[in-house]
Amino acid sequence: GESVGLHLPTLSVQEGDNSIINCAYSNSASDYFIWYKQESGKGPQFIIDIRSNMDKRQGQRVTVLLNKTVKHLSLQIAATQPGDSAVYFCAENIGGGYNKLIFGAGTRLAVHP
Amino acid sequence: DTAVSQTPKYLVTQMGNDKSIKCEQNLGHDTMYWYKQDSKKFLKIMFSYNNKELIINETVPNRFSPKSPDKAHLNLHINSLELGDSAVYFCASSQGGTTYGYTFGSGTRLTVV
Repeated sequence: GESVGLHLPTLSVQEGDNSIINCAYSNSASDYFIWYKQESGKGPQFIIDIRSNMDKRQGQRVTVLLNKTVKHLSLQIAATQPGDSAVYFCAENIGGGYNKLIFGAGTRLAVHP
Repeated sequence: DTAVSQTPKYLVTQMGNDKSIKCEQNLGHDTMYWYKQDSKKFLKIMFSYNNKELIINETVPNRFSPKSPDKAHLNLHINSLELGDSAVYFCASSQGGTTYGYTFGSGTRLTVV
């Protein structure tokens, strides 16, 4: 069936450390992937995306890695800050002609001073 | 400000009532969506409209009826509300095509009592 990710886990890190959030996706035909950040009381906010013809993409303090062989995505956040505390979702576009994003269950990132 | 805006932000109502949530985007996007986020933060797509045409209709009770008067607006009407409808409902929009991320509204927290 359509599913991305697992149950909502929590990742606790110290301020200044690097964070790695992982996500497994299920549809090998998915061609576009996005990471979203959701702060409390707000809607999901776009962080970074990657197309299936790439295996790595970098943004400001964030890097997304895509491993299509094992259907795995990761989000790396460098020098994690308290403002990075949020729930992070990976999402895959399963194609079929529509822009239909299937979201994973999310990972809560808690940054401690 | 350019954004996806939805109203109301909070909605508390009794079982059996009918309610509507409104959404507007001024981003010039062609496609709009409704997602439901449950208490475990899981985001599930409900509907999508492209230029006022319904293109995605997931397995949603027919008590839920989306309406798109124009491509900048997508409203969600819910009849005969049930306790299980309590959730946060997010509106989103995107460009057409399958490699574009969504811009989300800030959500409507619906509580059915």
